Amino acid sequence: IQMTQSPSFLSASVGDRVTITCRASHDIGTFLAWYQQKPGKAPNLLIYASSTLQDGVPSRFSGSGSGTGFTLTISGLQPEDFATYFCQQLSTYPLTFGGGTGVEIK
Amino acid sequence: QVQLVQSGTEVKKPGASVKVSCRASGYRFDSYYIHWIRQVPGQGHEWMAWINPYTGGTNYAQNYQGRVTMTRDKSITTAYMELNSLKADDTAVYFCARCRHASGCDLWGQGTLVAVSS
Repeated sequence: IQMTQSPSFLSASVGDRVTITCRASHDIGTFLAWYQQKPGKAPNLLIYASSTLQDGVPSRFSGSGSGTGFTLTISGLQPEDFATYFCQQLSTYPLTFGGGTGVEIK
Repeated sequence: QVQLVQSGTEVKKPGASVKVSCRASGYRFDSYYIHWIRQVPGQGHEWMAWINPYTGGTNYAQNYQGRVTMTRDKSITTAYMELNSLKADDTAVYFCARCRHASGCDLWGQGTLVAVSS
């Protein structure tokens, strides 16, 4: 299953609302997770099952979608949110990932 | 403390093999599959395989069939990934992660850089 993520890069300001999209080549139900990764660090799980917030993740992060279309929204971007975000499908092996979205300070 | 701790950086020549370890602590080792995922510098992530620590059963991505072997030692709660016949384009950071279909990969090792160069 191919995961197509967009945009690949975006520039935003603190306080902005940011939306990242992931599209699956086949129906994956809600077996979709979102991660944040900072340079030189391991990924950090934000959202699983398309819309469930991982424990300890701020509520400004939210996810939605099912089937083939999914969205990650950050409502009120904070300085610590500038990072790379990527999606992952866990419906079918091999597990596959989106190409990532780099979020930079405008 | 719930964590996965990986072994350190490896520098290998083409054709060699590498074995990376991933030690689990703070949770029941045999209750979660361990997955291996690699990230080529500046690029995306690629899933390689999983191992079931309870049974030792494995599932490998087709791209790595015949070249990768996953094992585990339950006595020291450690999983291993061995990759053979290394090529320059195997240069990447290799992560182990605790993953479940319904809840994603909620725990990751710190990553191990494997550099392949002549």
